[in-house]
Parts: sequence; C-alpha cells; structure tokens
Amino acid sequence: QEKVQQSPESLIVPEGAMSSLNCTFSNSASQSIWWYQQHPGKGPEALISIFSNGNKKEGRLTVYLNRASLHVSLHIRDSQPSDSAVYLCAVSGYNQGKLIFGQGTKLSIKP
Amino acid sequence: EAAVTQSPRSKVAVTGGKVTLSCHQTNNHDYMYWYRQDTGHGLRLIHYSYVADSTEKGDIPDGYKASRPSQENFSLILELASLSQTAVYFCASTAGTENTLYFGAGTRLSVL
Repeated sequence: QEKVQQSPESLIVPEGAMSSLNCTFSNSASQSIWWYQQHPGKGPEALISIFSNGNKKEGRLTVYLNRASLHVSLHIRDSQPSDSAVYLCAVSGYNQGKLIFGQGTKLSIKP
Repeated sequence: EAAVTQSPRSKVAVTGGKVTLSCHQTNNHDYMYWYRQDTGHGLRLIHYSYVADSTEKGDIPDGYKASRPSQENFSLILELASLSQTAVYFCASTAGTENTLYFGAGTRLSVL
C-alpha cells in the first residue's frame, strides 16, 4: 500500500520566521506532489504543486522535491499568524486517479 | 470558481442505521473522491471515481459503498453505521490527478 508520511506532527514558529515542513512518499513512480492548507472547520485548499526534481517558488512558498530520496519539503518564508493551519501533503500517480494524503502537520505561528 | 457541495453538513445517526452522504459538483470534473478525516490520520481515501457509473475502492473501503450516477453526483453510503464511522467526511473533485483538487466543506457524522 502506498504511504505518505509527514513530519513533524506539529510545529510552533515565531511570526516572521521560516516554517519548514517535510513529506516522504513510498513510490518513486508518483507523479505530482501537492501541498494543501486546511483551516479549522474548513475543507483543504490547494497551495502549491511540484512535478520535477528541484525547487519551485510561489510568493512566500518554496517547495523542494528529491525523487531519489522520495522526499519533498515546503518552506514558508516570513510566517504570519494567518498561516496557522494544518498542512497536508498529497501524492498522485499510483493507480489511475488515486490521490493519497499524509496525516498532516499542524503549524502554529506565534505572534 | 470550482464548486463542490456536500449535504448534509452534519448528521447524527444511530448504530445499525443507514446513512447516505451526498456530493454535487458543478465543475465538469471527471474525478471525484470521498475521504474521511480523523484526528491524527489526515485524510484517508474511502472510494473514488473517474467516470460516471463506475467507482473504485480506496484504502479504507470496508463498511462503505459509493455511487456515481452522473458526472455531477457522487454519494457515500453506510449501510450499517457503526461507532467507528464517526468522523468528518470530505468530498472532492478534480479534472485530473495532475490538477487542483477542490474540496467540499465537509460533513460531520456522529454515530451514537
């Protein structure tokens, strides 16, 4: 069975600092890797995705993908209290249409 | 803006009863998914579908059935609800697995 593991489970970061979240996946044949943000009582919303090895930057977000080590990370520069949420890593490309999520990282930004 | 609507938003069911959760999307998306969310488990895939009248089992299908009568509608059916099925259920749709997944607001199900 495909596995997606996230670390840490929870993270407290001072306002203005960098937040770094990690995700490992079990299948090197996976296609895209996505990061979703979920605020309490809401459905997850897509933040950023990556397909190719290397990094991708969008605004304050940077994602690094290393397929050889089956690892992807999300970095949030200048973290704000509004960034406090659960962040979910999702991996596609297993069986047709299957999208698998990790267990999430709860990020709290301390003013 | 992509729209996925779930109903009901919350439900209390009795053990052994039948529960149907409904999902409707207006995005013209082929792929639809049902996930459940429990504290500490993230989102776990129950059933999914990539074409009308066909459904696929996800990672935790036991105790659940799914129905996709049209491209727009995808239902999750609990024939005999159990206490362990208390959770928040999310429906989602996407044009393809390389595209953004759009989620509904969730259904909070309590089985007593």
